Amino acid sequence: KNQVEQSPQSLIILEGKNCTLQCNYTVSPFSNLRWYKQDTGRGPVSLTIMTFSENTKSNGRYTATLDADTKQSSLHITASQLSDSASYICVSLGPGAGGYNKLIFGAGTRLAVHP
Amino acid sequence: DTAVSQTPKYLVTQMGNDKSIKCEQNLGHDTMYWYKQDSKKFLKIMFSYNNKELIINETVPNRFSPKSPDKAHLNLHINSLELGDSAVYFCASSQDLTGGRYGYTFGSGTRLTVV
Repeated sequence: KNQVEQSPQSLIILEGKNCTLQCNYTVSPFSNLRWYKQDTGRGPVSLTIMTFSENTKSNGRYTATLDADTKQSSLHITASQLSDSASYICVSLGPGAGGYNKLIFGAGTRLAVHP
Repeated sequence: DTAVSQTPKYLVTQMGNDKSIKCEQNLGHDTMYWYKQDSKKFLKIMFSYNNKELIINETVPNRFSPKSPDKAHLNLHINSLELGDSAVYFCASSQDLTGGRYGYTFGSGTRLTVV
């Protein structure tokens, strides 16, 4: 079954600290993996997109890694800020109905950054 | 200058009613989507349209009928609303069916509550 699993479900860290969020996917055939940030009451916003040939990609203080052999990805946040409080969703592009690809979403990790 | 805008943001209605949610994108994208985010926070594809044509219908009940008058608009009409339809509905767009280089752009969501 094509699915994306994330851990931890929720995380609380202090402002200025680093953290790493995990994602395991069982999507075949695999096309690419994305990390999104979803603020409360808003739609998801793309942070990174990686194909199977890329093993790391950065976007400011966000760095995503991808291990296509173990089907794992991580999102590392450096020097966290209060505005980083949000849900972080791991998403894989996988097979959908009619031979077209579709996004397969994880349930997200809810991050709270406290002062 | 909102990229993907959907209205209304909140919708409270009684069971059995018919309601519509509107979505517009000004990005010049060819492909538009409707996603449903349930109480467990998973986002699931409902429909995708490419250049006004239905591409994906992920086993959504017939009570849900999308309409795309042009490639910049994708509206969602729901007949005979049920309690289980309560969720947040997100509209999204992408450059093409592959998601394009920059991935998907999501609207801010419509929180539908059926009472």
